[in-house]
Amino acid sequence: ETGVTQTPRHLVMGMTNKKSLKCEQHLGHNAMYWYKQSAKKPLELMFVYNFKEQTENNSVPSRFSPECPNSSHLFLHLHTLQPEDSALYLCASSQAGSGRTEAFFGQGTRLTVV
Amino acid sequence: DAKTTQPNSMESNEEEPVHLPCNHSTISGTDYIHWYRQLPSQGPEYVIHGLTSNVNNRMASLAIAEDRKSSTLILHRATLRDAAVYYCILRDGENYGQNFVFGPGTRLSVLP
Repeated sequence: ETGVTQTPRHLVMGMTNKKSLKCEQHLGHNAMYWYKQSAKKPLELMFVYNFKEQTENNSVPSRFSPECPNSSHLFLHLHTLQPEDSALYLCASSQAGSGRTEAFFGQGTRLTVV
Repeated sequence: DAKTTQPNSMESNEEEPVHLPCNHSTISGTDYIHWYRQLPSQGPEYVIHGLTSNVNNRMASLAIAEDRKSSTLILHRATLRDAAVYYCILRDGENYGQNFVFGPGTRLSVLP
């Protein structure tokens, strides 16, 4: 148990569906991250929030829409996805600040787009 | 973020020590060296980090070269549960808003 909880753990959705991934952390952190990990590939950083403000968007398609209502919660809203979006989506949190701090990751949501 | 280089894969026998190398020849004076590992079907897990001196914790030891251009993660007695992908990343200790950027890492196989 890392203190970062992601739900659901598995999700199968059609290309016309709308769904949301949820991430919650109870570590008192103020920075949260979304990553995508496709099969046999390194983690790709998607979005970063520091103190609820989005500070990074790594050219992610608009069919992925993040939301950070408070420092403890992070959502990833999904709509009209493509089969190539099937991947493991990971959430992480850390203390915002310098590189001295470490990140804690959730277990991920395994997404399959059919 | 400064770049690191790791071998793609390594093998170890169970109950033997494992030394996982990482090269970071362009490291700056304020970069911290972080190690994470990712077990199959799980999110990455923090292992250890350090700046200049060697570091020990319950999971592993981190040996940092005197010129800081390389480091080694040491697992003292590998177990089957240590089979994972190990990532070495650099994070600037003076730069607010640092992100965690991962490379391909080293896939460690542990043989019984």
